[in-house]
Amino acid sequence: DQQVKQNSPSLSVQEGRISILNCDYTNSMFDYFLWYKKYPAEGPTFLISISSIKDKNEDGRFTVFLNKSAKHLSLHIVPSQPGDSAVYFCAASGRNEKLTFGTGTRLTIIP
Amino acid sequence: DAGITQSPRHKVTETGTPVTLRCHQTENHRYMYWYRQDPGHGLRLIHYSYGVKDTDKGEVSDGYSVSRSKTEDFLLTLESATSSQTSVYFCAISAVGNQPQHFGDGTRLSIL
Repeated sequence: DQQVKQNSPSLSVQEGRISILNCDYTNSMFDYFLWYKKYPAEGPTFLISISSIKDKNEDGRFTVFLNKSAKHLSLHIVPSQPGDSAVYFCAASGRNEKLTFGTGTRLTIIP
Repeated sequence: DAGITQSPRHKVTETGTPVTLRCHQTENHRYMYWYRQDPGHGLRLIHYSYGVKDTDKGEVSDGYSVSRSKTEDFLLTLESATSSQTSVYFCAISAVGNQPQHFGDGTRLSIL
């Protein structure tokens, strides 16, 4: 069973606009959430994280929102830039050392 | 960038042969992980280590074994490779549990 779901395999956004990537989870024991960005032929790169005690975390152009009641998190990128074109993975963890990843969303920024 | 080196970066081999992938880190991090990435599945944890000689299974551990005799090295072995193990393999490290993990650039393994 897929405990972390990214239901949109791909997303296209105009340069300068907002990109919103979504992620849903089913395991109520998850209390820490992360977003990774991946370029082709490279490993995933950590982007931003949020603990379940917060509902928002911001780092420059990137903001992650967590809605615990809906078991939903989202990543907002404002403004979107061509270099943001990549595959984005959300991940979640509970009280152990393991991360559970979603299947990824390919973001394409259109110049 | 975190000092993580995966070797080899690419490998093609035949079904039934043994294969060992190496992950080497220079960060002295306690935790090391092996994942595989496949279309439609994202990244799935194979095995992980929480210290020298301390390892545990992940979600897709069947057909794989690991060893960690030194802090800096984490080896993934396919004792008898099968075509279903064709994948891209990533190593990751973290200082404290899984928060956050930093990844190597991957090994593309093809089993014919």
